Amino acid sequence: AQSVAQPEDQVNVAEGNPLTVKCTYSVSGNPYLFWYVQYPNRGLQFLLKYITGDNLVKGSYGFEAEFNKSQTSFHLKKPSALVSDSALYFCAVRDPSGSARQLTFGSGTQLTVLP
Amino acid sequence: NAGVTQTPKFQVLKTGQSMTLQCAQDMNHNSMYWYRQDPGMGLRLIYYSASEGTTDKGEVPNGYNVSRLNKREFSLRLESAAPSQTSVYFCASKPGGAKPEAFFGQGTRLTVV
Repeated sequence: AQSVAQPEDQVNVAEGNPLTVKCTYSVSGNPYLFWYVQYPNRGLQFLLKYITGDNLVKGSYGFEAEFNKSQTSFHLKKPSALVSDSALYFCAVRDPSGSARQLTFGSGTQLTVLP
Repeated sequence: NAGVTQTPKFQVLKTGQSMTLQCAQDMNHNSMYWYRQDPGMGLRLIYYSASEGTTDKGEVPNGYNVSRLNKREFSLRLESAAPSQTSVYFCASKPGGAKPEAFFGQGTRLTVV
């Protein structure tokens, strides 16, 4: 069975500083990995994905994530945080070879960027 | 483009009442999903439909039923609501091929008293 772990419930960072939101995964095959963001009272919005190829993927709003197969990690990063980045972030995994083909989400990390 | 539309946005039910949450997408996606979101637990899959005419159970299907009415619509029904079903419900749809990411509706906040 596939699973995702986000070890930090809350991450606080000062505006202008780099941010990292951690994610590790477990899947039997080669994973599809995703990051989504949720603003208050809104649905999830897609940020970026890793399917294959370059381990560093770039997404919306200046975010990027690095796929590390040996550490089974897919950490979300941004070089300079903005107050408007404050939101709930979800990592998700899908095993494209699995029969179910559904997304499995982590428990979420609340990012707060302090002015 | 409307994307994924869920109705209603808010609902309060009494224990034992029934209701149907509606979801429609206008992106011609084959796959559709229902998730529930609870604090500290992320999103958990209730049911999904890989294509029109098929539905399958997800992680937490008990107490729910679904109908894939056509390619656009995927409804979630609570036959006899329980307080444990108080949650925020999200519908999602997904294209296939080179764009495997899912698109989400804005959610339905359901309270069962």
